[in-house]
Amino acid sequence: EVVMTQSPATLSVSPGERATLSCRASQSVGSKLAWYQQKPGQGPRLLIYGTSTRATDIPARFSGSGSGTEFTLTISSLQSEDFAVYYCQQYNNWPWTFGQGTKVEIK
Amino acid sequence: EVQLVESGGGSVQPGGSLRLSCAASGFTFSNYWMNWVRQSPGKGLEWLTNIKQDGSDKYYVDSVKGRFTISRDNAKNSLYLQMNSLRVEDTAVYYCVRKTSMVGDFFDYWGQGTLVTVSS
Repeated sequence: EVVMTQSPATLSVSPGERATLSCRASQSVGSKLAWYQQKPGQGPRLLIYGTSTRATDIPARFSGSGSGTEFTLTISSLQSEDFAVYYCQQYNNWPWTFGQGTKVEIK
Repeated sequence: EVQLVESGGGSVQPGGSLRLSCAASGFTFSNYWMNWVRQSPGKGLEWLTNIKQDGSDKYYVDSVKGRFTISRDNAKNSLYLQMNSLRVEDTAVYYCVRKTSMVGDFFDYWGQGTLVTVSS
């Protein structure tokens, strides 16, 4: 199975600053990479699919890039509602697998 | 508004059984592949199983194959997960998850989850 590794585990950022989250796959997943946001007590919410396409109603401050084995989620200017845990997921190779998450916390 | 509401979680001893349910609303349930995904502190998010729109195809991750069974009732807009021979490592929050209608196995709606605790 494809192992997804996210870094860093925790990212401390001040509101208004840029956050850059990384996701690495143990083998190529092409562009079949999604990002999710999870807040306490809630199920994950789809942010990005196909590496860089924002899901419905996702603000433009969220962007995704990469291909193959290296992917990045960038939040251009962190808002208070963006402090959460972010997960990547590959859907190129069955079974579908997730990264361990990056927690974005207030600095 | 799409809603997925899980129920049926609880505490059970190792070797026991539980049946989870998911009530879907706000969309045409019979048009979508549906999934169960679990989340535990030790293993993070783990995709477990999915079922085709008409229930004719089902897939399972190796860790639950032969112990868990996914099913659906389109007339009741409901998804189920029968869990048998439960192990301590099955302790997790279980999510009912809708696969997107677009090409690709990513997930556009998740429920709030139901907690399953397996302990003696």
